[in-house]
Amino acid sequence: QAQLVESGGGVVQPGRPLRLSCAASGFTFTSYAMHWVRQAPGKGLEWVAVISYDENSKDCARSVKGRFNISRDNSKNTLYLQMNSLRPEDTAVYYCARAPNKAWHYFDFWGQGTLVTVSS
Amino acid sequence: QSALTQPASVSGSPGQSITISCTGSSSDIGGYKFVSWYQQHPGKAPKFIIYDVSDRPSGVSNRFSGSKSGNTASLTISGLQAEDEADYYCSSYAGSNRYVFGAGTKVTVL
Repeated sequence: QAQLVESGGGVVQPGRPLRLSCAASGFTFTSYAMHWVRQAPGKGLEWVAVISYDENSKDCARSVKGRFNISRDNSKNTLYLQMNSLRPEDTAVYYCARAPNKAWHYFDFWGQGTLVTVSS
Repeated sequence: QSALTQPASVSGSPGQSITISCTGSSSDIGGYKFVSWYQQHPGKAPKFIIYDVSDRPSGVSNRFSGSKSGNTASLTISGLQAEDEADYYCSSYAGSNRYVFGAGTKVTVL
């Protein structure tokens, strides 16, 4: 069955970079656009970024624009989130989620998340 | 993009029906038929339960139903069960390849 496994989280100092990965299995990776969604401790969900199945289209939330970059390697069935210039307010559990290629507006399967803590 | 507005909490007794509202604007909920809902138990990943306002994915109980009127979407849980106790989030497409979530509603089964 489908699996999404995030990794790469941890404790990082403000201003430093971090790269998250999301390994997909059990489904055809290229049949889906992919999103990153985050959840600060005790808070609600916040959409972060989306990328098309072929990387030709990508977009991100205004709160991370210019600092975060979403990418994917279809040969490895893996999604990435490069996070630069991290801020304490970026502290959150980061989830990857898939969306059908013809319906990017819903997230039909989620990973278990990886915690990123930005602190000195 | 501001978060969609949801009540912080809703409660009900087993067997009752409850409704969770999700209010946005004409730029998101009111402008598209692209509202979805997610259930999240503590410490777990969100689970997809409603898409395109009122459609249910395969395997989701028909006790969950969705609707929309103007800028407000709603999720109704009928025949409330103990396992329904969780946080619920709405989401909407907001144009220009942007997506917005609600702040979440905690459902308590009394």
